[in-house]
Amino acid sequence: AQSVTQLGSHVSVSEGALVLLRCNYSSSVPPYLFWYVQYPNQGLQLLLKYTSAATLVKGINGFEAEFKKSETSFHLTKPSAHMSDAAEYFCAVSGGNTDKLIFGTGTRLQVFP
Amino acid sequence: NAGVTQTPKFRILKIGQSMTLQCTQDMNHNYMYWYRQDPGMGLKLIYYSVGAGITDKGEVPNGYNVSRSTTEDFPLRLELAAPSQTSVYFCASSYKTEQFFGPGTRLTVL
Repeated sequence: AQSVTQLGSHVSVSEGALVLLRCNYSSSVPPYLFWYVQYPNQGLQLLLKYTSAATLVKGINGFEAEFKKSETSFHLTKPSAHMSDAAEYFCAVSGGNTDKLIFGTGTRLQVFP
Repeated sequence: NAGVTQTPKFRILKIGQSMTLQCTQDMNHNYMYWYRQDPGMGLKLIYYSVGAGITDKGEVPNGYNVSRSTTEDFPLRLELAAPSQTSVYFCASSYKTEQFFGPGTRLTVL
């Protein structure tokens, strides 16, 4: 069985500051891990994914995440926040190719000028 | 490509009414999914389908039904609407590891 835990339902940063959104996973099989972003009143959009290749994954909009098996973590980072990054971010895990996704409860990112 | 489309965008139902949420994808994906999103709860899988004619229950299927007669369409049926079904519903389709989401249907049951 798989699960994900997102630490912090709300994160606030200043524009230009580092963004760090935390995700820890549990999986009985080698996991596939995902970060999705949801802008207000829209569906979810894939930011990046880890599928057992390189452990440092680069995504869209300058985001990246590192898979750390020893820490069962897949934290999302961006060196410099932009106002347009304000959104809700979801971490998700699956057990492999085309398997069902299990979502975390989400982290709402606020960016202050 | 329109991707995944959902109709309607908004709907208000009275308790006990029924309705169908429509979902269509034009990417020829075999896998399709229905989720509900409640505040602070993330997305919960209601039903999914691995191809035309094949459907299976997800985490929260009670009160819902689905069908998959074609690759493109995956409607979600609410037979007797209850206030607990007030939520935002998302349809998704996938090819290999990535799921593509529709814009959602916001449903209120009063």
